[in-house]
Amino acid sequence: DAMVIQNPRYQVTQFGKPVTLSCSQTLNHNVMYWYQQKSSQAPKLLFHYYDKDFNNEADTPDNFQSRRPNTSFCFLDIRSPGLGDAAMYLCATSPGTGSTDTQYFGPGTRLTVL
Amino acid sequence: GNSVTQMEGPVTLSEEAFLTINCTYTATGYPSLFWYVQYPGEGLQLLLKATKADDKGSNKGFEATYRKETTSFHLEKGSVQVSDSAVYFCALTAPPRNTPLVFGKGTRLSVIA
Repeated sequence: DAMVIQNPRYQVTQFGKPVTLSCSQTLNHNVMYWYQQKSSQAPKLLFHYYDKDFNNEADTPDNFQSRRPNTSFCFLDIRSPGLGDAAMYLCATSPGTGSTDTQYFGPGTRLTVL
Repeated sequence: GNSVTQMEGPVTLSEEAFLTINCTYTATGYPSLFWYVQYPGEGLQLLLKATKADDKGSNKGFEATYRKETTSFHLEKGSVQVSDSAVYFCALTAPPRNTPLVFGKGTRLSVIA
């Protein structure tokens, strides 16, 4: 089945230690997204790629970066995680960015910062 | 700006009860509307969607109708099961900028046997 895969499902890092989360997709979608979801809150978009074009949300901290080396893979880099960055990180994909383009989500990576 | 308001939870129902989760929206242009479900410890799964007025989305016994006149997209199910226990998010995309998805705050549903 075509899907969005996130690895690892659970990630523990230390305060200030860089960490990378990965996402891959077999849907061949043009757009890949990264969301942050804190406990009992709605997901919040950090940024997205349309093909190789990177689109950052205005309020995404500089501490968060992303790379998309090819259509299938997208990475979220947190350069210096703080305790406030502990959250579920969700990757999603969609064919395009039209209003009828559905976003398909991966299972998420739960990040713990010690 | 675009926004989604959904009923506060948590909602607790007995098995086989009727479910309604209210969702209303504010949007410029003509939005597309979605319900996503998040089971404990999991990511979001698309439950159903509707892309134009009067469309009805349905899946797994859940239904929602896009009502332009009342700017609503209420989620309903006639008989809930314990396995429906999850958090339900109403969301929209709308012009001029179709991303990101604008989510409601989520409604936690607990179904007890």
